[in-house]
Amino acid sequence: AQTVTQSQPEMSVQEAETVTLSCTYDTSESDYYLFWYKQPPSRQMILVIRQEAYKQQNATENRFSVNFQKAAKSFSLKISDSQLGDAAMYFCAYRSYNNNDMRFGAGTRLTVKP
Amino acid sequence: EPEVTQTPSHQVTQMGQEVILRCVPISNHLYFYWYRQILGQKVEFLVSFYNNEISEKSEIFDDQFSVERPDGSNFTLKIRSTKLEDSAMYFCASNPRDRGGNSPLHFGNGTRLTVT
Repeated sequence: AQTVTQSQPEMSVQEAETVTLSCTYDTSESDYYLFWYKQPPSRQMILVIRQEAYKQQNATENRFSVNFQKAAKSFSLKISDSQLGDAAMYFCAYRSYNNNDMRFGAGTRLTVKP
Repeated sequence: EPEVTQTPSHQVTQMGQEVILRCVPISNHLYFYWYRQILGQKVEFLVSFYNNEISEKSEIFDDQFSVERPDGSNFTLKIRSTKLEDSAMYFCASNPRDRGGNSPLHFGNGTRLTVT
C-alpha cells in the first residue's frame, strides 16, 4: 500500500519569506498523481497544486511550486512571498492511477509570522 | 463555482445511536468519497462510490458504515451504532473523472461529528 510521509509536523516562516514543506511517499507504481491540499482553520480542504508523475516539469501555481523528484519519491512544496493567509495545515496526497482513494500525509502546520 | 455541500456542519449524538451525514456532490461529478479526520490527525479514506455502488473501501469502513445515493443528488454516510471513537470531522468529496484522471477531489466543508 502506498504511504505518504510528512516529516515536519510544524513549520514557521516570516511574512514575505520562502518556506519549503517536505513530503515523501512510497509506491511501486509508475503512474500516479500527487497533490498538496491546504486546510485553514475553517477546516475546508483546498487544492493548492497537483503534479502528474509522468511529467518531468515541476508544477507551479503563482506563489506555489513543487520540487518533484520521482526517483527519490519526494514531492516538496515551496511557498514564496509567504502571506498571513497561507497559515494553515498542509497535506500532501497521493492518488494512484488505478484506484480511487487518495492517501494523505499526516500534515504540516504552517505558521506565518508578521 | 459549484461546490460540494455537507449538512449538518456539526452533529452531536449519543453513543449507540444511528447518524446520517449528508452530502450534495457537484452535479456533473461521477465519483464520490467519504473521508474522516480525527482531531489533529491525518485525513483518512473511508469509501469511494461510483455508478451506485461502492468501488473501494478502507479497513475503517466496517459493517457499521454504509453509503447511499438515494435520489441522484444526495450522497449519505450512515453510521449504525456510533462509538466514541467515531468522533471526527467527516469530509465528502467528488470528482468528475474516472480512473486514470488527474482531476483533484473537491471537498465539502465537512461535518463535525461528536459522539458523547
